[in-house]
Amino acid sequence: ETGVTQTPRHLVMGMTNKKSLKCEQHLGHNAMYWYKQSAKKPLELMFVYNFKEQTENNSVPSRFSPECPNSSHLFLHLHTLQPEDSALYLCASSPINREMNTEAFFGQGTRLTVV
Amino acid sequence: AQKITQTQPGMFVQEKEAVTLDCTYDTSDPSYGLFWYKQPSSGEMIFLIYQGSYDQQNATEGRYSLNFQKARKSANLVISASQLGDSAMYFCAINGGSQGNLIFGKGTKLSVKP
Repeated sequence: ETGVTQTPRHLVMGMTNKKSLKCEQHLGHNAMYWYKQSAKKPLELMFVYNFKEQTENNSVPSRFSPECPNSSHLFLHLHTLQPEDSALYLCASSPINREMNTEAFFGQGTRLTVV
Repeated sequence: AQKITQTQPGMFVQEKEAVTLDCTYDTSDPSYGLFWYKQPSSGEMIFLIYQGSYDQQNATEGRYSLNFQKARKSANLVISASQLGDSAMYFCAINGGSQGNLIFGKGTKLSVKP
């Protein structure tokens, strides 16, 4: 247990559906991240939040919409996804992301399948 | 821009033997951190070990040690006395720059044989 919890663990959705992924941490961390892990590709950083403010958006399509209502919770809202969006979505948190020795703590991920 | 290169897609090691997983990096930042994570089939990323760019000594954490060669920009992970539970994907990552986000390599799949 890393202290970062993601729900659901598995999700199958159609291309016209709207769903949300949830991430929760009670580690007192102020930075939270969404990563996408596709088969045979490096983890891709999608979004970064520092103190609830989005500080990075790595050219992610608008069909992915993050929300960070407070430092403990992070959501990823999904709508009109494509089959190529099927992947493992990992949430992570860290105390602050500007220190060199700050490791990130990851959740177990949500395995998303778009049909 | 920062980059991590892991050239070994897959590695096999006999149980109880040591194995080295390669990692090279590229960065123009004078200060950076290097990390190794383990990802078992369950999906979660488990932090293993950290090496700072200014650390004089190689990092060690139990059976894990990091062979840090700054001039060659390499940060290889050494696992001693391999166990069956070590079978997993292993990712090298770098943290640096103004944002300090973790950038990962493609990973190495380690299989430990009994």
